[in-house]
Amino acid sequence: GENVEQHPSTLSVQEGDSAVIKCTYSDSASNYFPWYKQELGKRPQLIIDIRSNVGEKKDQRIAVTLNKTAKHFSLHITETQPEDSAVYFCAASRPGGYQKVTFGTGTKLQVIP
Amino acid sequence: DVKVTQSSRYLVKRTGEKVFLECVQDMDHENMFWYRQDPGLGLRLIYFSYDVKMKEKGDIPEGYSVSREKKERFSLILESASTSQTSMYLCASTARGTGTIWQYFGPGTRLTVT
Repeated sequence: GENVEQHPSTLSVQEGDSAVIKCTYSDSASNYFPWYKQELGKRPQLIIDIRSNVGEKKDQRIAVTLNKTAKHFSLHITETQPEDSAVYFCAASRPGGYQKVTFGTGTKLQVIP
Repeated sequence: DVKVTQSSRYLVKRTGEKVFLECVQDMDHENMFWYRQDPGLGLRLIYFSYDVKMKEKGDIPEGYSVSREKKERFSLILESASTSQTSMYLCASTARGTGTIWQYFGPGTRLTVT
């Protein structure tokens, strides 16, 4: 089955700096890569996603890049703010799997004011 | 606004007890999922269901079973709870489609088995 590795497990940045979280996946058939944000005590929520026919996608201060050849994808957060502090999960999904996704192990991001 | 609710936020059970966790969604979603969340291990899929009475094992089904008798409700059952099943349990649902797979999560149930 699919295996998603995520690094780093913790990340501390100064407010205003950028943060990058990296993931790799094992199943070359995976074609959909969502990112979820989980604030302390709250449920995970989708923040951005990318499909394998696109190399990059941006939404305001967040962007995701995908390298299909290397089976890598990354989340980039620019101009970080304290409210960006949360646990971020990457995930991968393949077609025909009833929309089942495999999650990475999570990155705890701390933005220091 | 999609709502996914879970029967309890906190639950304390004894070893060997049968435990039922319930999840209800109000958006007529076809697919429902049960995950457990442990620090450093992320979200691991226990079971999922793509239709009423249909179920598939996830990555860690051992010690668990599920039931889906109605489209809106998906139950997770711990037949004989063990301390290793102490965890946060999250339910999620998605609609069928080819666009964004939006997994709507419930608030979670923190289960402690003593």
